[in-house]
Amino acid sequence: LAKTTQPISMDSYEGQEVNITCSHNNIATNDYITWYQQFPSQGPRFIIQGYKTKVTNEVASLFIPADRKSSTLSLPRVSLSDTAVYYCLVEDSGYALNFGKGTSLLVTP
Amino acid sequence: ETGVTQSPTHLIKTRGQQVTLRCSSQSGHNTVSWYQQALGQGPQFIFQYYREEENGRGNFPPRFSGLQFPNYSSELNVNALELDDSALYLCASSPRRDNTYEQYFGPGTRLTVT
Repeated sequence: LAKTTQPISMDSYEGQEVNITCSHNNIATNDYITWYQQFPSQGPRFIIQGYKTKVTNEVASLFIPADRKSSTLSLPRVSLSDTAVYYCLVEDSGYALNFGKGTSLLVTP
Repeated sequence: ETGVTQSPTHLIKTRGQQVTLRCSSQSGHNTVSWYQQALGQGPQFIFQYYREEENGRGNFPPRFSGLQFPNYSSELNVNALELDDSALYLCASSPRRDNTYEQYFGPGTRLTVT
């Protein structure tokens, strides 16, 4: 049973803010929410991680509501180079990263 | 600081053959994990090595095996190759074993089995 559900694909124009929402209804108390980005023929790259409320770094923001059953990755003012697959992961101090199919984001001029 | 490197970049093998893929972890990282990524899918966990011992394994048959060396570099060996083994093989290193810590991925090895 998949731990996360996210849209298969999204489209955006350059300069817009993109919000990708991930559903994780069965998240456990010890689980963290992590997002990775992957470009074609490259390995995934860590973007951001959070446990609750809001986390912001130089690349993105992560919004987590109080019930933690969903989370939203926010990418401000996307550029063409943000075209990639974005994975939402829910992890529990085990050893494996559990990737789903991710969200394929296409940014166009 | 050198990142995670993998070799070779691409590889073509015939069904039934054996293959060895190599990974050099990032400096200071003692944990290496291997993932298989089929086209259009997310990476699937194969196994993890921590300080030269297997620390966990995903749902892959025994013909997938690995090694980690004292310098924390690692090998993935696949015996009796099947057509479905065609995929991008990714190596990730981390200074900690647990999956809540950021893992650093290499560029991958593209394996084609014909």
